[in-house]
Amino acid sequence: DGGITQSPKYLFRKEGQNVTLSCEQNLNHDAMYWYRQDPGQGLRLIYYSQIVNDFQKGDIAEGYSVSREKKESFPLTVTSAQKNPTAFYLCASSEGTGSSGANVLTFGAGSRLTVL
Amino acid sequence: RKEVEQDPGPFNVPEGATVAFNCTYSNSASQSFFWYRQDCRKEPKLLMSVYSSGNEDGRFTAQLNRASQYISLLIRDSKLSDSATYLCVVRGNTGGFKTIFGAGTRLFVKA
Repeated sequence: DGGITQSPKYLFRKEGQNVTLSCEQNLNHDAMYWYRQDPGQGLRLIYYSQIVNDFQKGDIAEGYSVSREKKESFPLTVTSAQKNPTAFYLCASSEGTGSSGANVLTFGAGSRLTVL
Repeated sequence: RKEVEQDPGPFNVPEGATVAFNCTYSNSASQSFFWYRQDCRKEPKLLMSVYSSGNEDGRFTAQLNRASQYISLLIRDSKLSDSATYLCVVRGNTGGFKTIFGAGTRLFVKA
């Protein structure tokens, strides 16, 4: 079955450590995204990528980094520079990035990061 | 003002009730509209797209009013399994990645 796989599902980190969240999709989608969700808030865009070897900052990119070396993979690194990293992180993909209704977002199951 | 605003609820309704959620958006250039459903501690999943003429999918009806920049979702004959958070989602055409999520409306359906 096609879908998006995120790992790990739960992650605990000490302050000052970098962590990398994995996101893999087998939907053959060109576009991939990382969102952050905090309680009582809507999803906020961290980074997105329209095509391999290209990515753009979203609304809250500070303290995060990404790479897109393969179409299927879009890992997110939460660096020690991110001041409030505890959150639910969601990876998504879509066929393209146009405004067509066909380009709906499909999400992975998420990774819950807690900083101790 | 938030770009997409929803009543956070929670809405507490008995089984079989009809419940309506509203959503307003600030960008008049928005192109596409969706409702997503999110269960507790899970990922959002597409419930339905919202079309200008309004659309229905079983017990769910979505309406769009572009003039008032308002979207609604009506759930008829509520089931226990409808308990979830409903996210209003709006997409612009300035870089299709400009997808804005509302904070969601929480629904509890009780027996």
